[in-house]
Amino acid sequence: SQQGEEDPQALSIQEGENATMNCSYKTSINNLQWYRQNSGRGLVHLILIRSNEREKHSGRLRVTLDTSKKSSSLLITASRAADTASYFCATDGTGGFKTIFGAGTRLFVKA
Amino acid sequence: EAEVAQSPRYKITEKSQAVAFWCDPISGHATLYWYRQILGQGPELLVQFQDESVVDDSQLPKDRFSAERLKGVDSTLKIQPAELGDSAMYLCASSRGQGTRREQYFGPGTRLTVT
Repeated sequence: SQQGEEDPQALSIQEGENATMNCSYKTSINNLQWYRQNSGRGLVHLILIRSNEREKHSGRLRVTLDTSKKSSSLLITASRAADTASYFCATDGTGGFKTIFGAGTRLFVKA
Repeated sequence: EAEVAQSPRYKITEKSQAVAFWCDPISGHATLYWYRQILGQGPELLVQFQDESVVDDSQLPKDRFSAERLKGVDSTLKIQPAELGDSAMYLCASSRGQGTRREQYFGPGTRLTVT
């Protein structure tokens, strides 16, 4: 069962442009995380935002959380070809003990 | 830097055969997860261990899948018999403790193809 759903499913941009990915979820959460997955590899944790936070930054990443709209966005600024990957949001399941991943956004950054 | 180890990286097996995957988490990580990821989808939790105890296996098809973590360190996931629909990436992850505020560290995965 999916709690988070990413939008768009796929995104293609030029190097240097910004990339924005969105995640919507259905039930209230304690935390929301973003992960990156390079093709055929395991996932790498990018950032965690708690339900009482509205924005967090990490390097070129900016994550926002709007609990009233049950949505989050991940912004990658000044994208690079190496940012080409799938990006997943992960939220709490029912009871808050289980992490549930969305289907992901596939980002392709053209050099 | 410590990593989660998984083997094999690739496995091709015939339908109805048995297959097993192994995972060695980062040292000191009490929580271990097995996920299944179908191509084009996000990972789906199959089983979660806290030390040697199963804390969630609600999505594990127990008629054919089994998982163990006998000494609370490494873990094995088994499928018997394998079905065509089991073709997927099987990911192992570990974290310092339970809870969704914990960062999970993933291994490289085992790509299973059932023919």
